[in-house]
Amino acid sequence: DTAVSQTPKYLVTQMGNDKSIKCEQNLGHDTMYWYKQDSKKFLKIMFSYNNKELIINETVPNRFSPKSPDKAHLNLHINSLELGDSAVYFCASSQGLAGGPGAGETQYFGPGTRLLVL
Amino acid sequence: GENVEQHPSTLSVQEGDSAVIKCTYSDSASNYFPWYKQELGKGPQLIIDIRSNVGEKKDQRIAVTLNKTAKHFSLHITETQPEDSAVYFCAASIENYGQNFVFGPGTRLSVLP
Repeated sequence: DTAVSQTPKYLVTQMGNDKSIKCEQNLGHDTMYWYKQDSKKFLKIMFSYNNKELIINETVPNRFSPKSPDKAHLNLHINSLELGDSAVYFCASSQGLAGGPGAGETQYFGPGTRLLVL
Repeated sequence: GENVEQHPSTLSVQEGDSAVIKCTYSDSASNYFPWYKQELGKGPQLIIDIRSNVGEKKDQRIAVTLNKTAKHFSLHITETQPEDSAVYFCAASIENYGQNFVFGPGTRLSVLP
């Protein structure tokens, strides 16, 4: 009964390719996130969606496009992959506004997708 | 925007000793401070959190303290065990729509048997 799942777990691809990472949460949460963790373990938010609507969009190249078909899924599509995109990408979810103030902060992370661009 | 610093970057302790990791934040409006533990090959997992209306919180061997005036908070692990070895991240956020966490750079804790 995995709470936040991501596929694939590993992704090795050539520069210039387009790839997608999928994320699903079965927690009934309203808000989902994508984070990038670089080789030095630094975690930085990329995007956040609440009920399928984009609410946080940090300075991320427009080659990265998130898509949320429903509130349980948030997929990340990356066009024209570059060497610097190599990292671990984490999906996360939180209850968001549904629980009211003080109820929705905890973010639950998926296991990560290790992307290597050659 | 918010900036979170974390020290030390690496910490080695003997099994049974205590470990303390400290974080500072810059935005006085931040009011929620979680701590995450990341084991090798896994995603970060919440271990404890604290809100700005509380100065200290404890959960078994783990405790977190918050000094809002000084804008710093600390994680305390007592009676450390080898399974406590991991990377620990602090984060700060403002409780609002979207929960934009800003994470510290992480502390790699090694508990030596």
